[in-house]
Amino acid sequence: DAGVIQSPRHEVTEMGQEVTLRCKPISGHDYLFWYRQTMMRGLELLIYFNNNVPIDDSGMPEDRFSAKMPNASFSTLKIQPSEPRDSAVYFCASSARGGTGPTYEQYFGPGTRLTVT
Amino acid sequence: AQSVAQPEDQVNVAEGNPLTVKCTYSVSGNPYLFWYVQYPNRGLQFLLKYITGDNLVKGSYGFEAEFNKSQTSFHLKKPSALVSDSALYFCAVRRNTGGFKTIFGAGTRLFVKA
Repeated sequence: DAGVIQSPRHEVTEMGQEVTLRCKPISGHDYLFWYRQTMMRGLELLIYFNNNVPIDDSGMPEDRFSAKMPNASFSTLKIQPSEPRDSAVYFCASSARGGTGPTYEQYFGPGTRLTVT
Repeated sequence: AQSVAQPEDQVNVAEGNPLTVKCTYSVSGNPYLFWYVQYPNRGLQFLLKYITGDNLVKGSYGFEAEFNKSQTSFHLKKPSALVSDSALYFCAVRRNTGGFKTIFGAGTRLFVKA
């Protein structure tokens, strides 16, 4: 398997612009997570989905952030409008309930480094 | 509420020496505990986990960790460090009920000197 795929790997945008980050989870995984990593705040869970349904979005910072999972193989995280304080590395991760029970651990993508100027 | 503490921002060891990266946690009920490693410009990689059973768990690349319920700790250890072990290490905790929300510690940077 190719692992979790994220695009783009780097994004530079100006304040006020819309940003869309994309994620393809590992095939067969039914949990998908979006995280944000910064030096100041560490790794923060933004939202996670189970079977394409958002389960916990309490970590989404504000209404400017939204996430969707239209099918089992694709998710987006959108920021509109973007602000300089949104600059961070955004990770997508997936996890699964296997045939013999849940795998428990998460598999992370390479991340998208977002810079908002 | 769940929380994870990694008391050391950085750990320095010489190659060939044993290493320990400390982690303590707080969670209601029984925990699931994890260690992940992050290399520069990469995503986190799973190292090992404690779910139930034997308190000493073995993982990838020769790492192991010991679950200590009374001290609420889950320290990462390796008998002989390699320069290639230099990376950022994260401890994480999840409740064994009530969803998949996982809380990560702030991370500990490990430097292994040749």
